[in-house]
Amino acid sequence: NAGVTQTPKFQVLKTGQSMTLQCAQDMNHNSMYWYRQDPGMGLRLIYYSASEGTTDKGEVPNGYNVSRLNKREFSLRLESAAPSQTSVYFCASSGGQGLGYTFGSGTRLTVV
Amino acid sequence: RKEVEQDPGPFNVPEGATVAFNCTYSNSASQSFFWYRQDCRKEPKLLMSVYSSGNEDGRFTAQLNRASQYISLLIRDSKLSDSATYLCVVNRETSYDKVIFGPGTSLSVIP
Repeated sequence: NAGVTQTPKFQVLKTGQSMTLQCAQDMNHNSMYWYRQDPGMGLRLIYYSASEGTTDKGEVPNGYNVSRLNKREFSLRLESAAPSQTSVYFCASSGGQGLGYTFGSGTRLTVV
Repeated sequence: RKEVEQDPGPFNVPEGATVAFNCTYSNSASQSFFWYRQDCRKEPKLLMSVYSSGNEDGRFTAQLNRASQYISLLIRDSKLSDSATYLCVVNRETSYDKVIFGPGTSLSVIP
């Protein structure tokens, strides 16, 4: 089925460890996004990429880096994980103005 | 003031009831509006876009009031499967493809 695929679905890290969350879409969308969702905070934008080769910071970029590898793939890296980064992470893509977003199924990350 | 605010929840309604959610936004230049639903421990999914003239999709009706800067979602004949959190989403003026998600309103439809 067409859509957004995220891996892994679950991850437990120790403080200071690094990891990369992978995201790929097969809808030929230009725009891709990384969000985190915390109880009581709603969805907050970490980084986004309006097109292949470009990335920009969102509301909460500190502690994260991203790579738009090609049009399909947009990865999120935690260089040195902290307990404050415990969250559910969603990748999304958009086909353009007024078309809404398609989300991946999420990654539940716990940092201990 | 938050950019997007929604009715506080949770809403607990019996099957068959009609329920309405409101959402207000602060940026008068916003152009695109959406309702998403999010089931427990799942990703948000687009429910419907909201157009200036209002629009309907089956039991769901969305309306936009630009003058008062609010959008609404009406659900008629509620089903158990409508139980979810409903997210109001508004674009930002400076970039059409960057949006702000509201905090969501929780709906529980009870038998």
